[in-house]
Amino acid sequence: QKEVEQDPGPLSVPEGAIVSLNCTYSNSAFQYFMWYRQYSRKGPELLMYTYSSGNKEDGRFTAQVDKSSKYISLFIRDSQPSDSATYLCAMSSQGGSEKLVFGKGTKLTVNP
Amino acid sequence: DAGVIQSPRHEVTEMGQEVTLRCKPISGHDYLFWYRQTMMRGLELLIYFNNNVPIDDSGMPEDRFSAKMPNASFSTLKIQPSEPRDSAVYFCASSLGTSLGADTQYFGPGTRLTVL
Repeated sequence: QKEVEQDPGPLSVPEGAIVSLNCTYSNSAFQYFMWYRQYSRKGPELLMYTYSSGNKEDGRFTAQVDKSSKYISLFIRDSQPSDSATYLCAMSSQGGSEKLVFGKGTKLTVNP
Repeated sequence: DAGVIQSPRHEVTEMGQEVTLRCKPISGHDYLFWYRQTMMRGLELLIYFNNNVPIDDSGMPEDRFSAKMPNASFSTLKIQPSEPRDSAVYFCASSLGTSLGADTQYFGPGTRLTVL
């Protein structure tokens, strides 16, 4: 079993839809959970950062962590064509300055 | 700040040739990371440095790969000899390094390597 599993999609939704992206993991030592967004032919950029369990909201984006189920989610409300990108989950036991383990990424297309 | 700078952006070479990828991290960042991204394997950490010292190179695939960081503003990833299976996008990232855990890795634009 891989440390981090993420459905690669692709996922195609109409503009305005609510998008749900998910990852599961096996390493119970993970404490820091991140979502990176990667546009085509660009480097990943940090979108959301969560420590331990709980929810975090930033504008149209909500990150959820359920450590008991080893499951994390990213919700995008009122999705826009500019949200079209690949979303990668990443996890670490020691924070962003140490080794991150990434999911393979889910490719999202938001159609106008 | 210009962000993380990588060169070249594209590299096409023939099997057996030496390839050198270069990275300039964000000024003041103490951590530097080298990643490789492929469709099959996703984004994989190859090696990372703290204050120019290699901390974890367990992701380096084999002895053909080597990385150096001679100073705080420059790092190289070398592949010698290169093989077609090394074709991938190689990313360099840097981070400030804080004790709070809430730290961000900033990625460069990547080097797209094709080995024929």
